[in-house]
Amino acid sequence: DAKTTQPNSMESNEEEPVHLPCNHSTISGTDYIHWYRQLPSQGPEYVIHGLTSNVNNRMASLAIAEDRKSSTLILHRATLRDAAVYYCILKSGYGGSQGNLIFGKGTKLSVKP
Amino acid sequence: DSGVTQTPKHLITATGQRVTLRCSPRSGDLSVYWYQQSLDQGLQFLIQYYNGEERAKGNILERFSAQQFPDLHSELNLSSLELGDSALYFCASSVGRGTYNEQFFGPGTRLTVL
Repeated sequence: DAKTTQPNSMESNEEEPVHLPCNHSTISGTDYIHWYRQLPSQGPEYVIHGLTSNVNNRMASLAIAEDRKSSTLILHRATLRDAAVYYCILKSGYGGSQGNLIFGKGTKLSVKP
Repeated sequence: DSGVTQTPKHLITATGQRVTLRCSPRSGDLSVYWYQQSLDQGLQFLIQYYNGEERAKGNILERFSAQQFPDLHSELNLSSLELGDSALYFCASSVGRGTYNEQFFGPGTRLTVL
């Protein structure tokens, strides 16, 4: 699986939107972009994933660049509960590929009241 | 609550000992994954089972072994424990082999080796 680059940390104010960037310049055509987050003292939690088109779900939105070399996770209104480490992970969509996730260091998001 | 359960929550043991960590996947999930999280190595994939068979192997030491039983629960066995094995061990499950499916993580087992 290709590598991703994320900022080590970001800060946000409560109730404001947060844009978490991820660079993946070596992404291949079959790689899906997955985002997971890990709240303090908990296991990782799935947030969202996409291939080419932008995606929305109840937790967040994923904006994928046209060339797919970068993506942005958008939290529309940050809450204190969103303070976590956010991981951007590429997973091959090839059917025979392994299913495990390869975690980098992620971005630690702090949310100020 | 992800639906994945792990026992025990905490485990304290001595070097050289052997322990077993247990994981019950979400109802209907056929894949189980084990991950180790330590301060210096971050989250690392250890091993995956799909419907009772080993599917993928990561950075799992020879002293560690795992299996998935017919009822789909899984156990991770750690033997000849060393201080460096102290870490959080997470189990995750997914419906399929994992290519497309999201993974659901349990709360983890914190292992302390003294």
